[in-house]
Amino acid sequence: EAQVTQNPRYLITVTGKKLTVTCSQNMNHEYMSWYRQDPGLGLRQIYYSMNVEVTDKGDVPEGYKVSRKEKRNFPLILESPSPNQTSLYFCASSKLAGGNNEQFFGPGTRLTVL
Amino acid sequence: AQSVTQLGSHVSVSEGALVLLRCNYSSSVPPYLFWYVQYPNQGLQLLLKYTSAATLVKGINGFEAEFKKSETSFHLTKPSAHMSDAAEYFCAVGRSSASKIIFGSGTRLSIRP
Repeated sequence: EAQVTQNPRYLITVTGKKLTVTCSQNMNHEYMSWYRQDPGLGLRQIYYSMNVEVTDKGDVPEGYKVSRKEKRNFPLILESPSPNQTSLYFCASSKLAGGNNEQFFGPGTRLTVL
Repeated sequence: AQSVTQLGSHVSVSEGALVLLRCNYSSSVPPYLFWYVQYPNQGLQLLLKYTSAATLVKGINGFEAEFKKSETSFHLTKPSAHMSDAAEYFCAVGRSSASKIIFGSGTRLSIRP
């Protein structure tokens, strides 16, 4: 089944404790992206990757890191999480880069930073 | 620059009534427009997409949207609401030369029995 998977689905952590949220897609998509969803703000892009070893900042990159060493994986790293990073996070992928392509979304990761 | 505005953060309709979710966009070039739906505890999935082939776009689950350039709108409609339509709906805009899609703030649709 074609899908985007994220792990973990739920995570409660404390300020400053490094964490990684994994994202994997099995559709051989070139483009991958991370979003955060907050009430009243919709989805805001954190980072995106147009292909292996090619990543760039989105609209809200502060406090986050990403890497794209393999085409299928795009982990999101929070080196020192803070309470303002409490949010619902989505990974998405599309066949190609470009704003005319449908994005396929993972199920989301709900992160709480105490 | 591109942007999208969804009017109404929450819309409530009775089962069987017309659903109308509003979306206005801003784009300096011909846009690509999307509606995504998010059911509770799930990721977003594509409802429909406008690519300039036809102004009236039909999507899944009986939804459709009409592109109106003069009004810069792309409103989502469904003639008869069903309880299973309760979800959050996002309008989004993109262009082929850009690397990302801009999402609106979302509209939560509730269905009254």
